[in-house]
Amino acid sequence: GAVVSQHPSRVICKSGTSVKIECRSLDFQATTMFWYRQFPKQSLMLMATSNEGSKATYEQGVEKDKFLINHASLTLSTLTVTSAHPEDSSFYICSGWTWNTIYFGEGSWLTVV
Amino acid sequence: AQSVTQLDSQVPVFEEAPVELRCNYSSSVSVYLFWYVQYPNQGLQLLLKYLSGSTLVKGINGFEAEFNKSQTSFHLRKPSVHISDTAEYFCAVSRNSGNTPLVFGKGTRLSVIA
Repeated sequence: GAVVSQHPSRVICKSGTSVKIECRSLDFQATTMFWYRQFPKQSLMLMATSNEGSKATYEQGVEKDKFLINHASLTLSTLTVTSAHPEDSSFYICSGWTWNTIYFGEGSWLTVV
Repeated sequence: AQSVTQLDSQVPVFEEAPVELRCNYSSSVSVYLFWYVQYPNQGLQLLLKYLSGSTLVKGINGFEAEFNKSQTSFHLRKPSVHISDTAEYFCAVSRNSGNTPLVFGKGTRLSVIA
């Protein structure tokens, strides 16, 4: 099956700093990718839809200036958490569709200390 | 818009017993349906999916699910569980047009007791 690679898998950063998470579709081109967030012991919630070559679409309640999404190519979408705070600590996971199937990355565990 | 209801937040079951995890969905359009498993501190693993065709879908690890359009359900079943099946299970739905996001249920914690 298709592969979506996410990096880093785990990251610890200091409060106030920014961290970038990369999501790559290794063997297919993704015009659209989706970013989800999962807080501990909760479900996955859609944060934003990343569109190649255009602005991302954010879900209600997600701050677009805090969670910067860039989809500069058909195989790479990035999520940057700016000025991270401890409450941003979460599991972030991306996904993309190909051949009528959705594929998820391995996810990134962010801990802000 | 689509929504998913997983009726049980926790399901304890003895080893080698059968289990059913319930999932109901709501949608005004035709849908794709998915079941994922998440082990502690790990990502998502696809168990099975329904896109079209046969309503009985077989997945990995001995799991199966049946799409029931009239009851808007997609319950997950396994005839005999193992300790290793202990995990969080998520039901998810999307529009059947592809390239749309998944909407996840709140999850069901399956605990298999020795």
